[in-house]
Amino acid sequence: DTAVSQTPKYLVTQMGNDKSIKCEQNLGHDTMYWYKQDSKKFLKIMFSYNNKELIINETVPNRFSPKSPDKAHLNLHINSLELGDSAVYFCASSHGTGDTEAFFGQGTRLTVV
Amino acid sequence: AQSVTQLDSQVPVFEEAPVELRCNYSSSVSVYLFWYVQYPNQGLQLLLKYLSGSTLVESINGFEAEFNKSQTSFHLRKPSVHISDTAEYFCAVRKNSGGYQKVTFGTGTKLQVIP
Repeated sequence: DTAVSQTPKYLVTQMGNDKSIKCEQNLGHDTMYWYKQDSKKFLKIMFSYNNKELIINETVPNRFSPKSPDKAHLNLHINSLELGDSAVYFCASSHGTGDTEAFFGQGTRLTVV
Repeated sequence: AQSVTQLDSQVPVFEEAPVELRCNYSSSVSVYLFWYVQYPNQGLQLLLKYLSGSTLVESINGFEAEFNKSQTSFHLRKPSVHISDTAEYFCAVRKNSGGYQKVTFGTGTKLQVIP
């Protein structure tokens, strides 16, 4: 069973469109994250939710809106897509407290054309 | 503030040779340290972690890293690499704040094992 799963794995879309990426974890974790990995492999945290509550919101355009319907899901919706949004987006989860690492999904490669 | 520096963006090494991937961090508070590996077109997988206790930590596939507080380093080493070790390696620092954690990653080091 996949611990952290993201869909879709690949997403190609035109500028100006709105798209969503879904993430689900079956590890019982209470904290989930979205990371963006650019073409140079640099990983930057975008958002973090703990028990459906937003706890980290880095400087991200407000075109990006995370939604957590329950603590096992954290979806990412992106409005008015731009070329610079092209990247690989990773979802991750961990226990909110305690000495544990984050578990990552396989990533969603978003290409905006 | 905290940051993670991986000095080498690429490290080519011959098969069965030793390798060291460098990682330095800066933080004003205690941190937890991790190494993640990313194989081509895959997500990140935890390789090893330092939380407390022994400063030398090992992974199941022969990698080890040593936490050096005085030098604020957490270098990753392997005495003999295999072709299958070719991947991108990320050092990460986690800081607990207000009951939740924030993980900051380095820019990654691409390990290329040459047959």
